[in-house]
Amino acid sequence: AQTVTQSQPEMSVQEAETVTLSCTYDTSESDYYLFWYKQPPSRQMILVIRQEAYKQQNATENRFSVNFQKAAKSFSLKISDSQLGDAAMYFCAYRNDGATNKLIFGTGTLLAVQP
Amino acid sequence: GAVVSQHPSRVICKSGTSVKIECRSLDFQATTMFWYRQFPKQSLMLMATSNEGSKATYEQGVEKDKFLINHASLTLSTLTVTSAHPEDSSFYICSASREETTYSPLHFGNGTRLTVT
Repeated sequence: AQTVTQSQPEMSVQEAETVTLSCTYDTSESDYYLFWYKQPPSRQMILVIRQEAYKQQNATENRFSVNFQKAAKSFSLKISDSQLGDAAMYFCAYRNDGATNKLIFGTGTLLAVQP
Repeated sequence: GAVVSQHPSRVICKSGTSVKIECRSLDFQATTMFWYRQFPKQSLMLMATSNEGSKATYEQGVEKDKFLINHASLTLSTLTVTSAHPEDSSFYICSASREETTYSPLHFGNGTRLTVT
């Protein structure tokens, strides 16, 4: 079974600085997809960024980028120029390339942004 | 705007009663929807996969007789917590994909906070 591990329960960053959130996963599959979701206090799940495993190029979305290391099964999220609105719980998620389409979530990292 | 609507956002019920939570895809058809449960400060745990026109697929350890799922149409799935008890108090979130492809991200409803007294 696939598992997703986020080893940092909490992180803190100064406004305008850069922070990296870690995520590792375990799978025997070769084709899969990885996601980072943000959950602010409102509890709404918001997609931040996604990565296809077959792509070597790291995904980027404005201030958000990932460092995808397939061999190491690592998928970290870098937030540049952190803003107060980035404060939230961040979940790393994995999905097989298959019919079920279900997401497996990590335990989450609570990010605080200090003004 | 929201593509998945979940209702109600909050519900308080007495122990022993049943509660129904609705999940609607607003501008697309979803043959598959997913129901998650989240305890405070914890991750989302998949409860079941709701399949339109067929029985739901439950994850290991989830009581299918307690958590009844009905996916009667391509835009609506319902989760009924039957004979609710205080330990069922939790945050329940549904999700669906706009497209039937693995790469298509899941869109989530706003969740339902259930409190059983």
